Amino acid sequence: GQQVMQIPQYQHVQEGEDFTTYCNSSTTLSNIQWYKQRPGGHPVFLIQLVKSGEVKKQKRLTFQFGEAKKNSSLHITATQTTDVGTYFCALFTGGGNKLTFGTGTQLKVEL
Amino acid sequence: NAGVTQTPKFRVLKTGQSMTLLCAQDMNHEYMYWYRQDPGMGLRLIHYSVGEGTTAKGEVPDGYNVSRLKKQNFLLGLESAAPSQTSVYFCASSYSMLAGTDTQYFGPGTRLTVL
Repeated sequence: GQQVMQIPQYQHVQEGEDFTTYCNSSTTLSNIQWYKQRPGGHPVFLIQLVKSGEVKKQKRLTFQFGEAKKNSSLHITATQTTDVGTYFCALFTGGGNKLTFGTGTQLKVEL
Repeated sequence: NAGVTQTPKFRVLKTGQSMTLLCAQDMNHEYMYWYRQDPGMGLRLIHYSVGEGTTAKGEVPDGYNVSRLKKQNFLLGLESAAPSQTSVYFCASSYSMLAGTDTQYFGPGTRLTVL
């Protein structure tokens, strides 16, 4: 089945620094979703990317879908302590709207 | 709306015991899912349902059974718990008007420890 690699696994940053996580697939994707999970919480949907080369922004978060639709990235500008959590990419696999999740990138922000 | 709720929030079992995790959603969603989350492994799909009365296997179905007797409920059963089933279990649901595009809404999770 489809596999998705997410890097890095962990990232420590000082508050105010930027952060990027990458998601790479072995096959061409129809679309990709991003979720955020706060410590002790549950995954929450952030965004879906569909078009080749698509770029979407949510305040300090910028999401990109690669031209070949095999990779995606999430960039956070000037991190804040509220950004702490694990960020997952997820792609649809097969019927039933099943999602395959990446292994996630755990972000820690230090003051 | 309560969204997706899960019962119980925490549970400790002994090896060989059985239990049922309950997931309920009040959003009239067709699709429901059960995942397990282990450190460094992301979320892995156990079973899912595309509608009332239907169930299907996901990525890691062994040792689990599910039932969807009512549209709003999705039950996950462990008949004979094993330490390898120690994990955090998440239920999710989605509306699924168009395949391959839908958002999943997650419950708060159940933390299960099997001794």
